[in-house]
Amino acid sequence: NAGVMQNPRHLVRRRGQEARLRCSPMKGHSHVYWYRQLPEEGLKFMVYLQKENIIDESGMPKERFSAEFPKEGPSILRIQQVVRGDSAAYFCASSRPDGTTYEQYFGPGTRLTVT
Amino acid sequence: AQKITQTQPGMFVQEKEAVTLDCTYDTSDPSYGLFWYKQPSSGEMIFLIYQGSYDQQNATEGRYSLNFQKARKSANLVISASQLGDSAMYFCAIPAGGTSYGKLTFGQGTILTVHP
Repeated sequence: NAGVMQNPRHLVRRRGQEARLRCSPMKGHSHVYWYRQLPEEGLKFMVYLQKENIIDESGMPKERFSAEFPKEGPSILRIQQVVRGDSAAYFCASSRPDGTTYEQYFGPGTRLTVT
Repeated sequence: AQKITQTQPGMFVQEKEAVTLDCTYDTSDPSYGLFWYKQPSSGEMIFLIYQGSYDQQNATEGRYSLNFQKARKSANLVISASQLGDSAMYFCAIPAGGTSYGKLTFGQGTILTVHP
């Protein structure tokens, strides 16, 4: 039973390029959360998605950032025109849809470096 | 809105001794839960332990236990018989909106170093 998969694990982008981060939830999980961890800080919530729906994007920067979780395929976090301040570790987590279990399983993270 | 505070930026412990990592929280929800995660230097987030506010007994998972004191709004993690592999960053977190699931608010973290 594969865990939460994220790719790439490391991503280097120049300022102004686009970054696409992918997250495949655990089998049977249809809820996905994205978090960002800046250096020396805790994780900060960005967005919560279910299949084809954005449930809560209150932690998402208003510009340049978008997320989707299509009916088929992984969840994508997209950052357009990256800046140095976007350098961080981006984690996704998944959970089951019924809310009866508390486990939220994290992927290994994608470390984005903007040069 | 929930708030989580970890006041110990760094902690040191001798191998085989016990250590307590502090976590205080602030929430207006009558029902809530608390998580602890471990983040080793490799970077992944590892779930350690969870307790709901209505659980009668403190949660334990192997060498990890939660010292949950609702009146003080604290949920400290106790690691018994520390091992070198316990050296890592530790985060406590609280889920949103009085649920036991959903988006998590994390504390700032505590770096634990275990000395041989």
